[in-house]
Amino acid sequence: KQEVTQIPAALSVPEGENLVLNCSFTDSAIYNLQWFRQDPGKGLTSLLLIQSSQREQTSGRLNASLDKSSGRSTLYIAASQPGDSATYLCAPRGGTYKYIFGTGTRLKVL
Amino acid sequence: KAGVTQTPRYLIKTRGQQVTLSCSPISGHRSVSWYQQTPGQGLQFLFEYFSETQRNKGNFPGRFSGRQFSNSRSEMNVSTLELGDSALYLCASSLDLVSHSPLHFGNGTRLTVT
Repeated sequence: KQEVTQIPAALSVPEGENLVLNCSFTDSAIYNLQWFRQDPGKGLTSLLLIQSSQREQTSGRLNASLDKSSGRSTLYIAASQPGDSATYLCAPRGGTYKYIFGTGTRLKVL
Repeated sequence: KAGVTQTPRYLIKTRGQQVTLSCSPISGHRSVSWYQQTPGQGLQFLFEYFSETQRNKGNFPGRFSGRQFSNSRSEMNVSTLELGDSALYLCASSLDLVSHSPLHFGNGTRLTVT
């Protein structure tokens, strides 16, 4: 059974800092992994989708990496801004095609 | 292109009642999945539909059911509501079931059961 853990659970940083959010998963047999952000009371916004054959994906100030064999993904946010404040969730998609979501990292950029 | 639309945005029901939530996917998307989000359990997968057929199901009781119509719109029904069913219900759509298709979420329906 896939279990997804995100560390840290919460993070407060000053504006301009570069930061790394971590996601680990127990079953490495995944098709892809997606990163999302969620603003309070809203749905999820897709940030990046990494296929199992890829090592990383980039979009603007965001870069996500995937190490499938070790069950890890990281989301790198460069030059953080107050608008980046949100909860970030990772979700690997496994053999049954289900996405299993992590517990999220709540980010506050001061 | 319009995003995923969920209606209604808010619902208040009493225990024992039933409720139907609606989801209109992005035009051209054929896969629709549903999730329940609560502070204690986080985001949990309910079920996924593709071409009007349920393709995947999460670990929820039979009170939770859904369906998909020929235009890909989907509905989710919860019967005999319990207090623990209070949650944000999110619908997501994707082009199809294959792995290169990202999920796009609606803003959810906030269900409160009293």
